[in-house]
Amino acid sequence: GNSVTQMEGPVTLSEEAFLTINCTYTATGYPSLFWYVQYPGEGLQLLLKATKADDKGSNKGFEATYRKETTSFHLEKGSVQVSDSAVYFCALSTGGFKTIFGAGTRLFVKA
Amino acid sequence: DAGVIQSPRHEVTEMGQEVTLRCKPISGHDYLFWYRQTMMRGLELLIYFNNNVPIDDSGMPEDRFSAKMPNASFSTLKIQPSEPRDSAVYFCASSVFGRTNEKLFFGSGTQLSVL
Repeated sequence: GNSVTQMEGPVTLSEEAFLTINCTYTATGYPSLFWYVQYPGEGLQLLLKATKADDKGSNKGFEATYRKETTSFHLEKGSVQVSDSAVYFCALSTGGFKTIFGAGTRLFVKA
Repeated sequence: DAGVIQSPRHEVTEMGQEVTLRCKPISGHDYLFWYRQTMMRGLELLIYFNNNVPIDDSGMPEDRFSAKMPNASFSTLKIQPSEPRDSAVYFCASSVFGRTNEKLFFGSGTQLSVL
């Protein structure tokens, strides 16, 4: 079945450090891939998405590239801020109206 | 746009009691989803509706759980009787699915504690 695996957290970084959160997927067909972010006490919100191979999604300095050959969609940011502290979820959708989420990776950014 | 609205934000109840969670989706969205989030199991899809009709309830854990969508602007998730292992954050999400629009819009969730 379809699934998403992302790196376990928590990830703790200092402000301005480089961020990578790994995500790999298993899916039949050609899924759309997403990163959602959850701030404390809030629901998830879409951070970025990519709908086909080699697409790069980007938003707020975050980027992720859809790599079909490695079935990956790693999240990166060149310089994190304290305000980026949150839980990040990798997810996929195969168009069957079900979105499958990874377990989430908690990020702490220290000033 | 007010976004997806869930109530209550927090619910504390005793084992055996009935619990009803409420959701108002974004106007014009024709898909509504109920998710449950726990530390152990992450984010699980419980059930989803299309045009107020339940499409897939395979994620509903057991018969104690039921969900309804009487109209396009309101849905409920009911647990009867509640058990301590039902303690979790319950999220409602809505969307409009098209060729390129698969984005889910989440509410702020209901934190349920069953004592």
